[in-house]
Amino acid sequence: GAVVSQHPSRVICKSGTSVKIECRSLDFQATTMFWYRQFPKQSLMLMATSNEGSKATYEQGVEKDKFLINHASLTLSTLTVTSAHPEDSSFYICSARDEGGPSYEQYFGPGTRLTVT
Amino acid sequence: AQKVTQAQTEISVVEKEDVTLDCVYETRDTTYYLFWYKQPPSGELVFLIRRNSFDEQNEISGRYSWNFQKSTSSFNFTITASQVVDSAVYFCALTKYSGGGADGLTFGKGTHLIIQP
Repeated sequence: GAVVSQHPSRVICKSGTSVKIECRSLDFQATTMFWYRQFPKQSLMLMATSNEGSKATYEQGVEKDKFLINHASLTLSTLTVTSAHPEDSSFYICSARDEGGPSYEQYFGPGTRLTVT
Repeated sequence: AQKVTQAQTEISVVEKEDVTLDCVYETRDTTYYLFWYKQPPSGELVFLIRRNSFDEQNEISGRYSWNFQKSTSSFNFTITASQVVDSAVYFCALTKYSGGGADGLTFGKGTHLIIQP
């Protein structure tokens, strides 16, 4: 089956630093990937849609200058949290749409838990 | 705008009881997909089922069954003979189909299911 990986799985950083999270489709190509954020005991919220070779589309209320998304290849999208603050501490999950499969099919990564101290 | 409502925040039952998780959705789109995911404490989302808007057939998979009713905009999930391993947070989600494929998912707030031994 299609596998999506995320790296790192956990990261702790100091306030004011930047953190990069990688999302990779391991055995399929993904022109489109999605980034979600989940605060403790809350639901998943779509942050942005990442498109290979073009600018990401951000959901309303998501700061695009703070959450930089780069989708430079068909198997890799990165999310960089710039100048992180404690309120950015969250669980970040990506999903990838398999371009070779049904267009409704998307696969989730295992998530990255970010803690900003 | 799309919306998914899971009115049950937490459900606690004793093992072997049947339990139904409710999901009500709102959308103006004619083509859409509904999903159920399980999220154990590890955080990784486990895909359970997908339904498209044109397929109202109910589905049964082992102890799991789903009842999709467009007339009431509901997509309920029933676990029969519940087991302790079923304890998790369950999310109902919705997406629409744009020209290039399915969009990112809109999640409900989740139902925390606790199965007591």
